[in-house]
Formats: sequence, structure tokens, C-alpha cells
Amino acid sequence: QVQLVQSGAEVKKPGASVKISCKASGYTFTNYLIIWVRQAPGQGLEWMGLINVNDGNTNYAQKVQGRVTMTTDTSTSTAYMELGSLTSDDTAVYYCVREPPASANDYWGQGTLVTVSS
Amino acid sequence: DIVMTQSPDSLAVSLGERATINCKSSLSVLYSSNNKNPLAWYQQKPGQPPKLLISWASTRESGVPDRFSGSGSGTDFTLAISSLQAEDVAVYYCQQYYSNPRTFGQGTKVEIK
Repeated sequence: QVQLVQSGAEVKKPGASVKISCKASGYTFTNYLIIWVRQAPGQGLEWMGLINVNDGNTNYAQKVQGRVTMTTDTSTSTAYMELGSLTSDDTAVYYCVREPPASANDYWGQGTLVTVSS
Repeated sequence: DIVMTQSPDSLAVSLGERATINCKSSLSVLYSSNNKNPLAWYQQKPGQPPKLLISWASTRESGVPDRFSGSGSGTDFTLAISSLQAEDVAVYYCQQYYSNPRTFGQGTKVEIK
């Protein structure tokens, strides 16, 4: 069965970086996109960007452009999202999501809580 | 960016009654190649990741109860729950996957009256 298993919760200081992993299983990793979505406490869903696992092309939301890097390791079927220059506004649950080509997000990771606090 | 606006922000419906959530996009979302609307609905329960209910505006995902239905085209879309059950209490989000960034609506909280 399809699974996306994310790394554990992180606590970071302002100005630091965080790197979250997302290990995929149960499907052909390179046939799908990986999307990253975040959700601040009590708030809605915010699309951060995507990576085409097949060719490594990325598309980032303007809000995080310049601070975010999405990568994949096809040898281990793992996706990574690194976010730098953290502020308290980056405190959120971060989800990795599978997206079939030209379709909706069908499988979500369990989420990773990132807390930014001094 | 395409702005997705849901209404209402919250609603309370009696068990067994119908719940309707609207989603309006700031631009028409329609793939001319297949004449389908790239619009999805997700359900999120507390402490859980969102779950895909409906894709292409009206295609129910496997395993989703048939009391959930999606409709609409162009800029106006609707999610209906025909007979609300206790397990349907959740926040529902629409999302367009027509263009990047793939924007979400702000969410609609559904509760039991």
C-alpha cells in the first residue's frame, strides 16, 4: 500500500534551517510529483511547492521562494524539504503529498511539526 | 495566483440533514484538453492529514461514501453531504490544481447542530 512516512518533530531557533524527509513506499516513486503543504496551528492549508521526481524540476510558492529547497533521492525513494531563515511564522505542521500527473493530491504523509522558538 | 474562496466558513447541520459547501475560484479552472475541472475536495479531521474526497470537481475517490458529491464547473463548485453523519464532522477544503501555486480555499468547518 502507498505510504509516505515523514521524519519527526523539530524545534528550531529563529534564523536556523530545518530539513524534513519523506520516505515513499508502495508505488513507483519517479512516476509522481511530491508536493509540500504546511498548516500553521489552527489555520488552513498552504501549498509550498512541488518537485517532479522524474526530472527534479521544482516550482515554489512565492512566499517561500529563496528559502526553500525541495529535493529527492530516487535510490531511497525519499523526498526532502529544507526551509531556511526560519521565523515564528514558519511554525506549522508540514506535509509531503503524492500527486499523480495532472491530478489531485491522493496520499498524504502523517505530517511533521516544526516549532520555531527562541 | 488563483484565489479560492469557500462559503460559509462554518456550518452546523442536524444529523441526517444535507450540508452544502461552496467554493469559488477567481479564474475559470478548466482543462480544454479533457474538458474537466481540476478541482479537488479534501476532508480534514482533527489531528489528521487531509483526505482526498473528490477530484475533477465531481469524481468521488474509491472508498468515499456516496453521500458525498461534488458539482460545478468554471469558477463555481459545490461539495454536498446528502445526509450528515457524526463521522463527517471535519474541516473541508477545496483546491485547484489547474495552475501553480495550487491554491486551497480557507476551509469550512462542519459541525453537528
